[in-house]
Amino acid sequence: DAGVTQSPTHLIKTRGQQVTLRCSPKSGHDTVSWYQQALGQGPQFIFQYYEEEERQRGNFPDRFSGHQFPNYSSELNVNALLLGDSALYLCASSSQLGTGELFFGEGSRLTVL
Amino acid sequence: AQSVTQLDSHVSVSEGTPVLLRCNYSSSYSPSLFWYVQHPNKGLQLLLKYTSAATLVKGINGFEAEFKKSETSFHLTKPSAHMSDAAEYFCVATGGFKTIFGAGTRLFVKA
Repeated sequence: DAGVTQSPTHLIKTRGQQVTLRCSPKSGHDTVSWYQQALGQGPQFIFQYYEEEERQRGNFPDRFSGHQFPNYSSELNVNALLLGDSALYLCASSSQLGTGELFFGEGSRLTVL
Repeated sequence: AQSVTQLDSHVSVSEGTPVLLRCNYSSSYSPSLFWYVQHPNKGLQLLLKYTSAATLVKGINGFEAEFKKSETSFHLTKPSAHMSDAAEYFCVATGGFKTIFGAGTRLFVKA
């Protein structure tokens, strides 16, 4: 049973560019959450998707957007990249029928130059 | 409003000695509580979870945590630290649609 998979694992962009990160949830999970983890910090909640809609959002600007597909996979898009967007982006999946336990992917390491 | 406070940003122990990582939570209802571990440049791995069943929860790798409602605490313990336990540990509370992370505790294990 594959767990949560994320791609790409590493990428380098320059300021002003746009990036798309992808996530496939654990089999049987229907909810995907995205987190930003800056170096030495804890994960910060970006948003959560369920039934292809953004259900909750953290304190992130509109440059951060997402999407969930019918197969429950998800994308995170960041426009007009800033140096401060450099971070590890973590995807976590869960089930609405579960106990709130999150299963995390290995993350996508974004470096903005 | 929910909040999670990890009382120590860093903890250092010697190999073979006990580990105690402290976590307090604040919630207007009974949350589910979790401890996750993160090794460098890796995702987070679930150590254990409390979901209103037994208050003493056993997890992987010899870790345990006890839910104490009167103290609003969910401290993580291990009787004997191993070098491989050196990592970042996060206490997490969930309730409704919200998941709240503590700031993390870095565990150092000395040989």
